[in-house]
Amino acid sequence: GAVVSQHPSWVICKSGTSVKIECRSLDFQATTMFWYRQFPKQSLMLMATSNEGSKATYEQGVEKDKFLINHASLTLSTLTVTSAHPEDSSFYICSAAGGRRGGRETQYFGPGTRLLVL
Amino acid sequence: GDSVTQMEGPVTLSEEAFLTINCTYTATGYPSLFWYVQYPGEGLQLLLKATKADDKGSNKGFEATYRKETTSFHLEKGSVQVSDSAVYFCALSEANAGKSTFGDGTTLTVKP
Repeated sequence: GAVVSQHPSWVICKSGTSVKIECRSLDFQATTMFWYRQFPKQSLMLMATSNEGSKATYEQGVEKDKFLINHASLTLSTLTVTSAHPEDSSFYICSAAGGRRGGRETQYFGPGTRLLVL
Repeated sequence: GDSVTQMEGPVTLSEEAFLTINCTYTATGYPSLFWYVQYPGEGLQLLLKATKADDKGSNKGFEATYRKETTSFHLEKGSVQVSDSAVYFCALSEANAGKSTFGDGTTLTVKP
């Protein structure tokens, strides 16, 4: 299957700092990337949908000024958690879709980034 | 709106037992259906998919058939292994919407 990477895989930061998470599709051009948040033993919660070259579409209840998403190219999207607080601690997962591989409906997921805010 | 309902877990089986994880869905259009697997501490991996009614997706001994009449996409495997222990997510994606709708996940534990 397609390969999607995330960096970093683990991050620990102090409250009030900003954290950037990168999501890259390594072997295909992703027209759309998705950002999810997953709490322990729960399903994925979609945070936002990002299309290359346009503003991200945020789900209801997700603060766009706190979770900044940039999709600058067909292979890279970034999520920046601004002024992180302990309640932002979670597992963040990105996925990429589009291109000839799998079509628009099939999402390929990154390995996730575990964020711990102290 | 769209929704996916999965069999509640956790499910505990002995090695070589038969596995069924039920999944039913509601959708306004003609979605594609997916099963994803998540191993501890990792992201999701696509296990199999089906894009239209009566299609059967299969991979690594797992199978699921897209049943439009019962709006179901049950996951089955004839003989599970300890290495199949993971969380399994059923999902659907409408072609025009782009984003997917996920079930709550079913935790499978296979004991030797």
